[in-house]
Amino acid sequence: NAGVTQTPKFQVLKTGQSMTLQCAQDMNHNSMYWYRQDPGMGLRLIYYSASEGTTDKGEVPNGYNVSRLNKREFSLRLESAAPSQTSVYFCASSEKGGRNQPQHFGDGTRLSIL
Amino acid sequence: AQSVTQPDIHITVSEGASLELRCNYSYGATPYLFWYVQSPGQGLQLLLKYFSGDTLVQGIKGFEAEFKRSQSSFNLRKPSVHWSDAAEYFCAVGAWDSSYKLIFGSGTRLLVRP
Repeated sequence: NAGVTQTPKFQVLKTGQSMTLQCAQDMNHNSMYWYRQDPGMGLRLIYYSASEGTTDKGEVPNGYNVSRLNKREFSLRLESAAPSQTSVYFCASSEKGGRNQPQHFGDGTRLSIL
Repeated sequence: AQSVTQPDIHITVSEGASLELRCNYSYGATPYLFWYVQSPGQGLQLLLKYFSGDTLVQGIKGFEAEFKRSQSSFNLRKPSVHWSDAAEYFCAVGAWDSSYKLIFGSGTRLLVRP
């Protein structure tokens, strides 16, 4: 009964390094999301995948890329990390896209860029 | 503009006291509203949701929320707070803006005095 699993839980990078954050869900959900959480700003959507094979930009996509590898997995890649990308990253999933769809969240990846 | 406002950054209550967390939303269409709770180091857990019908909705852990369209509010309440309720609480509205997403408020951190 894992729900949404994110790896790693913590990571420290140097400026300019690259990294991929992994996310997998076992609820057979169609839609998946990546958010970042910064103090005093709530969560902001980075990218969204309505279904396998599709991805769309969210509110703050610059500096990130995503891959919807299959129905279960949705990864987030930082090609050249910058200090402004220090944040807590959350992956979420919902049964389908829609304004009335509750999203289920992973425990987050805490990322520091030095 | 689509937005969610949680006017209280921090709230402190004594264990056993009642609680009300405020949430105001701005959204042009029918609002789909959610409350999530985030314990330290954890992801977000859905407490309750409102789509339509009865304006008083019940959630998990003894929480309830009341939707008031005239005030654009969706306040969260609990009659008697337990020490384990100490966490950060986020109000969100389901939105469409080139992708489906949740628009989050900035959160209210609840501290519980013994």
